[in-house]
Amino acid sequence: GQQVMQIPQYQHVQEGEDFTTYCNSSTTLSNIQWYKQRPGGHPVFLIQLVKSGEVKKQKRLTFQFGEAKKNSSLHITATQTTDVGTYFCAGQMTTDSWGKLQFGAGTQVVVTP
Amino acid sequence: DVKVTQSSRYLVKRTGEKVFLECVQDMDHENMFWYRQDPGLGLRLIYFSYDVKMKEKGDIPEGYSVSREKKERFSLILESASTNQTSMYLCASSLLGAGSSGVDSTDTQYFGPGTRLTVL
Repeated sequence: GQQVMQIPQYQHVQEGEDFTTYCNSSTTLSNIQWYKQRPGGHPVFLIQLVKSGEVKKQKRLTFQFGEAKKNSSLHITATQTTDVGTYFCAGQMTTDSWGKLQFGAGTQVVVTP
Repeated sequence: DVKVTQSSRYLVKRTGEKVFLECVQDMDHENMFWYRQDPGLGLRLIYFSYDVKMKEKGDIPEGYSVSREKKERFSLILESASTNQTSMYLCASSLLGAGSSGVDSTDTQYFGPGTRLTVL
């Protein structure tokens, strides 16, 4: 079964509102990455988190890695129409040494103007 | 900029046909991956390769095979296409070499545009 779970699957947001998407792993991760896929496009790397408790920001996006390195979150403030897309988290298991990632099912974000 | 290209954006095949999906990357990356993407299931790894002529099964290898004769090219083969293989197929590459633990950003995966395969 899927080792990396992501919730919610869908997120409808009013423009200007904030929202958070969550990622949980059944096993400890060596690192976690986040990707964004625009409608009709392919996944594009956003950020990687490596350290326990790490927080990184990219403009209105805040990424967090849990203390136990088993969960992560992406928080978007003041959502804009350009944030539309599907956001995937992808974890690298500590047991994997080939750069293999376990992707979550993604959170599809729809923004209402 | 890393460029990953895939041979077709759209492909329509009939049940039982042999299908080849080609992927080429231009950044001398060690690792290459084939995923399929289905609604609600995210990206599921079919096969990956960490070196020329080397391959490893991913989570859903059944019904697929791969070939990596040159470092820049990774092919996905459907020996006998079936309707349940209708999907979006994404190829990716990453710099990480064999045996590395991936604690830095070198294992970022770069994706191709995808091939939407329909099997009738």
